[in-house]
Amino acid sequence: GNSVTQMEGPVTLSEEAFLTINCTYTATGYPSLFWYVQYPGEGLQLLLKATKADDKGSNKGFEATYRKETTSFHLEKGSVQVSDSAVYFCALSSTGANNLFFGTGTRLTVIP
Amino acid sequence: NAGVTQTPKFRILKIGQSMTLQCTQDMNHNYMYWYRQDPGMGLKLIYYSVGAGITDKGEVPNGYNVSRSTTEDFPLRLELAAPSQTSVYFCASSYSGGSGSETYEQYFGPGTRLTVT
Repeated sequence: GNSVTQMEGPVTLSEEAFLTINCTYTATGYPSLFWYVQYPGEGLQLLLKATKADDKGSNKGFEATYRKETTSFHLEKGSVQVSDSAVYFCALSSTGANNLFFGTGTRLTVIP
Repeated sequence: NAGVTQTPKFRILKIGQSMTLQCTQDMNHNYMYWYRQDPGMGLKLIYYSVGAGITDKGEVPNGYNVSRSTTEDFPLRLELAAPSQTSVYFCASSYSGGSGSETYEQYFGPGTRLTVT
């Protein structure tokens, strides 16, 4: 079946620190992979995505590379800001399907 | 363009009561979804719809019903509320071209926080 395992949180970093949030997946076929972000009091927003192996998704300084050999899609950012404080969800969508399977979410707090 | 809107934002129900969570999108998306988010957990799919008049169950459909009479609206009905349905509910929508090979972004509403006591 389809599942996503995400790094446990919460994560607290100082401003300008390097961020990594780990995500691994199990899926049938060739899934698409996503990172969604949820800011306080809001719904989820798509942060980035990758639809095939070795693709790199990037947005707002965040990056993630689709690694088929390690079934991973780790989120990275070189220098976090206070405004990046949010909950980050890794998700997958299996081939031909539209529904998403989510990880449990990782809460990131960035302190000045 | 409002995107996906949900009402109400908050609701407290007594056990056994019923209610409908409203969801509307103005992006002419054909697919719509209902998820629930329990504390410390990811979102789980309750029901989804691929177009007006067509609905299907997700991972956790028990205790819920949906209908899709128009492209824009996808209400979620709780008939006999139970404490296990205390959660945050998110509606989402997306567009699919129908080829089966495209994966389009899902747009989420702000959520409804429901407490059943």
